[in-house]
Amino acid sequence: GIQVEQSPPDLILQEGANSTLRCNFSDSVNNLQWFHQNPWGQLINLFYIPSGTKQNGRLSATTVATERYSLLYISSSQTTDSGVYFCAVMRGSQGNLIFGKGTKLSVKP
Amino acid sequence: GAGVSQSPRYKVAKRGQDVALRCDPISGHVSLFWYQQALGQGPEFLTYFQNEAQLDKSGLPSDRFFAERPEGSVSTLKIQRTQQEDSAVYLCASSLRSGQGVDGGSTEAFFGQGTRLTVV
Repeated sequence: GIQVEQSPPDLILQEGANSTLRCNFSDSVNNLQWFHQNPWGQLINLFYIPSGTKQNGRLSATTVATERYSLLYISSSQTTDSGVYFCAVMRGSQGNLIFGKGTKLSVKP
Repeated sequence: GAGVSQSPRYKVAKRGQDVALRCDPISGHVSLFWYQQALGQGPEFLTYFQNEAQLDKSGLPSDRFFAERPEGSVSTLKIQRTQQEDSAVYLCASSLRSGQGVDGGSTEAFFGQGTRLTVV
């Protein structure tokens, strides 16, 4: 089946720093989503981005489907950005997502 | 409703006990998914419904796991004779349409808060 790899697995930042999270996938996909899992376990939708670039405040994402990767940019990080960031891809006709192992981000004050 | 709602939020079960986990998807969403998330891992697919039809149950780990969505809205995931390895967070997600939908709408999935199951 399709493989989803996220890097880095862990990231520690000082508040105010910028970061880039990467997601590589092993085959063509119909869709890709980025999520933030907060400390209470809730998966928060960040981007629904099968291709192209989107921005939402301090966050932006780019997916290059032909090269099978996506990037999530976090600028001016805040302590509330801490948590685990998941990339998930959808392949096939039914829509279930295949998740990477996540990037655990800790933002220090 | 405004979002996907799951209940209970937490469940402690004695080994061998049966449990039932409920998911109330976003109103009008055709597709419903169940995922299992072990500690420190990403969610893993269990089963998928399109309306009331269970189209894929390939991710269910054993025949002790059973899911239903009889009226195409609320879904229940049932685990019989729970074992310690069943301890995990169970997540439900819904989307407006499936990937094969031809009538438009998004495949973006929205998740509930999850049910944390602990088997002792």
